[in-house]
Amino acid sequence: QKEVEQNSGPLSVPEGAIASLNCTYSDRVSQSFFWYRQYSGKSPELIMSIYSNGDKEDGRFTAQLNKASQYVSLLIRDSQPSDSATYLCAVNIDWRGNNRLAFGKGNQVVVIP
Amino acid sequence: KAGVTQTPRYLIKTRGQQVTLSCSPISGHRSVSWYQQTPGQGLQFLFEYFSETQRNKGNFPGRFSGRQFSNSRSEMNVSTLELGDSALYLCASSNNGGETQYFGPGTRLLVL
Repeated sequence: QKEVEQNSGPLSVPEGAIASLNCTYSDRVSQSFFWYRQYSGKSPELIMSIYSNGDKEDGRFTAQLNKASQYVSLLIRDSQPSDSATYLCAVNIDWRGNNRLAFGKGNQVVVIP
Repeated sequence: KAGVTQTPRYLIKTRGQQVTLSCSPISGHRSVSWYQQTPGQGLQFLFEYFSETQRNKGNFPGRFSGRQFSNSRSEMNVSTLELGDSALYLCASSNNGGETQYFGPGTRLLVL
């Protein structure tokens, strides 16, 4: 089993709609979870970090964490063409609290005007 | 604050050569991590340095090495380059372990 899985293929959403992305992870002791956005040819930029079970909202983005089920999700509300990018789920898999991010393969999101 | 900076941005080398990449973290950040990104394998962790000590190492051969200086700047070195080392090498910094890591623009390495 891969450490972090993002199984959905490319996601096309109309402008103004909600995009929903999911991610599962295998290591139960993981404590830090992140969503990054990566535009083509660019480096990842942080969208959201989440450490506790439940929802965390930041503008049009909401991250949800469920440690019991080992999944993290990201909702993008009122999707804009500028949201078209690859979204990477990352989990810190170092149980000692040091840094070691494991990434999913990413989900490509295309927002159609 | 200025973001993470990486130099050089682009590099072309031939097989068998070695290469050194540099990373300057966000001011005040003491943890620097390195990642390799390829189309086939995605983003993979190379190593993490904190206060000049390697705290973590990924599953890469010994040809990949790194170090961190007292000002938190970090370098990574790849010796005896192989074609498969062609990738985007990303550096990320954070204040400490488990906290948000911020990525630099990356160094794109092409091995011919």
